[in-house]
Amino acid sequence: NAGVTQTPKFQVLKTGQSMTLQCAQDMNHEYMSWYRQDPGMGLRLIHYSVGAGITDQGEVPNGYNVSRSTTEDFPLRLLSAAPSQTSVYFCASSQNFRVQYFGPGTRLTVT
Amino acid sequence: GQQVMQIPQYQHVQEGEDFTTYCNSSTTLSNIQWYKQRPGGHPVFLIQLVKSGEVKKQKRLTFQFGEAKKNSSLHITATQTTDVGTYFCAGNFMEYGNKLVFGAGTILRVKS
Repeated sequence: NAGVTQTPKFQVLKTGQSMTLQCAQDMNHEYMSWYRQDPGMGLRLIHYSVGAGITDQGEVPNGYNVSRSTTEDFPLRLLSAAPSQTSVYFCASSQNFRVQYFGPGTRLTVT
Repeated sequence: GQQVMQIPQYQHVQEGEDFTTYCNSSTTLSNIQWYKQRPGGHPVFLIQLVKSGEVKKQKRLTFQFGEAKKNSSLHITATQTTDVGTYFCAGNFMEYGNKLVFGAGTILRVKS
């Protein structure tokens, strides 16, 4: 099992550009989440999903969209990138929204 | 709102010294988890505590969950350079649909 995979590993965007961060899991977990990690702020929840077709907002959802068409995939879309979205993004999956299995992360810089 | 406060933010210890990080919540947690993130890596699950007063050990690491299920600690005995990283706690809040909230993390540096 690959667990949770994320692409790309690194990305540089210009302000106003859009992009999609990919996340996939092969553990058949219902719950998937997106977090961003900034120095001194811990892990903040952006969006989450409790199953295919069901998504909800987390703590910091503004500027991001998600969809969940399959159990395996949970892409995160940045609509119009801003420098404040420079961060490390982690996707995670879990069986019951308790123990989280994290992907390797995407390091995003917006200039 | 639902918050998990974690202290200290940063700790620098001499190899062989002990280390402790603490997490506190103002409301009751249904459980608490601990994660470790190595520099440049991703958070990796260490352990979950569910019962009031629970204590679990993993080699040199001791995890405790408070009697009121509002606080927790991670203690490392005789730190080694391999312990370097950021330690996060994360709690599920009973009263808020089991919402999971992470603490800000404690960065541990070990001098050899």
